[in-house]
Amino acid sequence: AQKVTQAQTEISVVEKEDVTLDCVYETRDTTYYLFWYKQPPSGELVFLIRRNSFDEQNEISGRYSWNFQKSTSSFNFTITASQVVDSAVYFCALSEGRNTPLVFGKGTRLSVIA
Amino acid sequence: DTEVTQTPKHLVMGMTNKKSLKCEQHMGHRAMYWYKQKAKKPPELMFVYSYEKLSINESVPSRFSPECPNSSLLNLHLHALQPEDSALYLCASSQDHWGSTEAFFGQGTRLTVV
Repeated sequence: AQKVTQAQTEISVVEKEDVTLDCVYETRDTTYYLFWYKQPPSGELVFLIRRNSFDEQNEISGRYSWNFQKSTSSFNFTITASQVVDSAVYFCALSEGRNTPLVFGKGTRLSVIA
Repeated sequence: DTEVTQTPKHLVMGMTNKKSLKCEQHMGHRAMYWYKQKAKKPPELMFVYSYEKLSINESVPSRFSPECPNSSLLNLHLHALQPEDSALYLCASSQDHWGSTEAFFGQGTRLTVV
């Protein structure tokens, strides 16, 4: 069975600090997809990134970066120079492919203090 | 346009009422989803429609009745709900059925059952 663990329930940082959100996953499939979503107080889940199991390249998008390591089954998310607008709940999610529902981790609530 | 529109944004209903939640997307996506999210919890999958046909029902009580009138619309009919059904109901769509494509979420309907 697939499983996603986000061990950090809540993180609080001061603006401009860097912060890393951890995500560890379990799956028996060799083909799978990993996602990060952001949920601000408004409620909408905002898609941030999708990564498939065959692409271990790290990705950077502005202040956001993702580190995918199959050896440790981790897909961590780093925000550089955090801003107050980054305050939200961040979910890591896993799908084992076609016709398989997305499984979400429990989420990490990030608070960035000015 | 990567927008999923949900109406209403807020809904208060009595346990004997009948109401409907609506979801609309114009991205040409062929998969649509209903999720339920309780406070401080991750979203939980309720239903999946793929090409306008119900493909997954995650053992949801019959007081929740989904409907997909066409490829752009998804409804969730509510009847005889219980107070514990109060939650944020999220609609999502994706180009294809989970895994290889990301899902886009609406802002949700905050439902309160009194």
